[in-house]
This record gives sequence, structure tokens and C-alpha cells, in this order.
Amino acid sequence: AQSVTQLDSQVPVFEEAPVELRCNYSSSVSVYLFWYVQYPNQGLQLLLKYLSGSTLVKGINGFEAEFNKSQTSFHLRKPSVHISDTAEYFCAVSEKQAGTALIFGKGTTLSVSS
Amino acid sequence: KAGVTQTPRYLIKTRGQQVTLSCSPISGHRSVSWYQQTPGQGLQFLFEYFSETQRNKGNFPGRFSGRQFSNSRSEMNVSTLELGDSALYLCASSLEVSLGTDTQYFGPGTRLTVL
Repeated sequence: AQSVTQLDSQVPVFEEAPVELRCNYSSSVSVYLFWYVQYPNQGLQLLLKYLSGSTLVKGINGFEAEFNKSQTSFHLRKPSVHISDTAEYFCAVSEKQAGTALIFGKGTTLSVSS
Repeated sequence: KAGVTQTPRYLIKTRGQQVTLSCSPISGHRSVSWYQQTPGQGLQFLFEYFSETQRNKGNFPGRFSGRQFSNSRSEMNVSTLELGDSALYLCASSLEVSLGTDTQYFGPGTRLTVL
């Protein structure tokens, strides 16, 4: 069975500072990896995904993530955050060739202040 | 192209009742998945439908069921509601040409409150 651990439940940062949201996963099979963002009272929006190939993945809104197979991690980074990045961020995995079922982490609340 | 729509957006029910939630996927999408989001358990996968067949199921009791119609629209039903069923229920659709690789697009959710 797969599991996802988001190491920080809340991350407060100042505007224009860099940020890293940490994600570790556990799985006995090969997985795909995803980061989603959820703004208040909205559904989830895909930021980026890792399927195969280059371990550095670039997504929307200036976010990027790096897949590290040896450390089973998929940390999300942004070099300079904006107030509008305040939201909840979810890391997720799905088992390759097993359909769309996503296993989510508990989420990290990113709070950006001026 | 219109996004994933879910109806109703808000719902209040009492214990013991049953409820049906509806999801209309993005046009052309054949896969519909349902998730439950609660403060305590987070986001949990309920089930996935593809071409009117349940392809995958999460670890939820049989009170939770769903179906998909020929136009890919999906409904989920919860019978004999319990207080713990209060949650945001999210629906997601994808093209699903290749298993698991297509982006899932989420709807805004249905907020169910059980009193």
C-alpha cells in the first residue's frame, strides 16, 4: 500500500521569500507523483506531475518539484512567493497502470504575508 | 470548455437519511473519480468509474455507492447517513487514455452536513 507524508502542516513565509514544501512517499510499486493546490472553497488544481524522465518537473505559477527516488521524496519549491500563493497544497501518488486513484498527503497550508 | 460541475454545492441532511450527489465531467472525459475530504482524515479516494464500470474502489463501507451513465455523468449515493459522513465530496474527471497519467480535473465539491 502507498502512503504520503507531508512533513509540515503549516508553512508561514514572507512575500518574495523562497519556499519548499516537503513530501515523502512510501510504495512497494512504481508510482506517479503529483502536487495539487486548493484555494478556499474551491476544488483542487494540478500544479505539476512526475510521470517519468527528468526528475526536475516545472509546473504552473512558477512552482517546480524534484523527484528523488533514493529518498522517496518529491519536494515542491518556488523561488519567490506571492500573497496569492496562500493556499493548501497536497502531494499525491498513484500506482502506475492501476487507474486514477490518488493517495493524498494531509496537506500543507502555505501562508504568505507582506 | 466547461469545467467539472457538481450539484448541489451545499446539502444538509439528518442522520439515517440518504443522499445523492451529481457530477458532470468535462466534455469528452470518460473517467470520473470521487473523493471525500474531511479535516480529520484528509482526502480519501472513494471510487472511480470508467465507461459506466467501477474500475477502482477505496476503503469505504457499502453505504457509499456510485454509478456512471452513458454520457459519463456520475452520481454517488450515501445511504443511512452518519454524522461522520459530513465532508466535502469532490469529483474529478480525466480523459484516461493512458492509465493514471492524464490530469484529473476537480470540481468545486459538494459540502454535505449531517445533523
